[in-house]
Amino acid sequence: SAVISQKPSRDICQRGTSLTIQCQVDSQVTMMFWYRQQPGQSLTLIATANQGSEATYESGFVIDKFPISRPNLTFSTLTVSNMSPEDSSIYLCSVTGGGYEQYFGPGTRLTVT
Amino acid sequence: AQSVSQHNHHVILSEAASLELGCNYSYGGTVNLFWYVQYPGQHLQLLLKYFSGDPLVKGIKGFEAEFIKSKFSFNLRKPSVQWSDTAEYFCAVNRGGTYKYIFGTGTRLKVLA
Repeated sequence: SAVISQKPSRDICQRGTSLTIQCQVDSQVTMMFWYRQQPGQSLTLIATANQGSEATYESGFVIDKFPISRPNLTFSTLTVSNMSPEDSSIYLCSVTGGGYEQYFGPGTRLTVT
Repeated sequence: AQSVSQHNHHVILSEAASLELGCNYSYGGTVNLFWYVQYPGQHLQLLLKYFSGDPLVKGIKGFEAEFIKSKFSFNLRKPSVQWSDTAEYFCAVNRGGTYKYIFGTGTRLKVLA
């Protein structure tokens, strides 16, 4: 399984600002995913990020709010733009394993005040 | 729309009790099924997975799950829980041939020593 790290592990931000979350994988992977876990709720897929192409966003998520970069096969960033308190969540990145299973990073706990 | 239901949101058991956590999904085609566990302060870890073949799958730490296609279910079981099994458990489904996960809302298990 892949080893995934995320930075920052947590942050407290003011509304209206933006935060960029980094995801680093210890091996080259084709597909990376970004999820959001709002308080008391399950994980929701934000987008799929493939290297060399635009990210594919799920219904309810847009590029202007959650721009994603995927410059190479081991790294991706997710930016949460123009934040509001409703964006307070845990943001996780994941990668696929050899099959259809996914492996998750430790998450970034974001609080927007 | 696809959905995954976990009926038990909170479960409290004494050590050595048997565990069964329910998971039902709403998709009629081929699916891949997963159980993930999140121990306190740790990231999501894959507990077990089902792609095809024997509907009874065994995972780590003595957990197993049974896929019953006719019931659209993938219930997680453990004959005798330990205090260290205290965690949150998530069921996840993806459609065969795709990588997009739909997660259940999770079940918080507390095992009393």
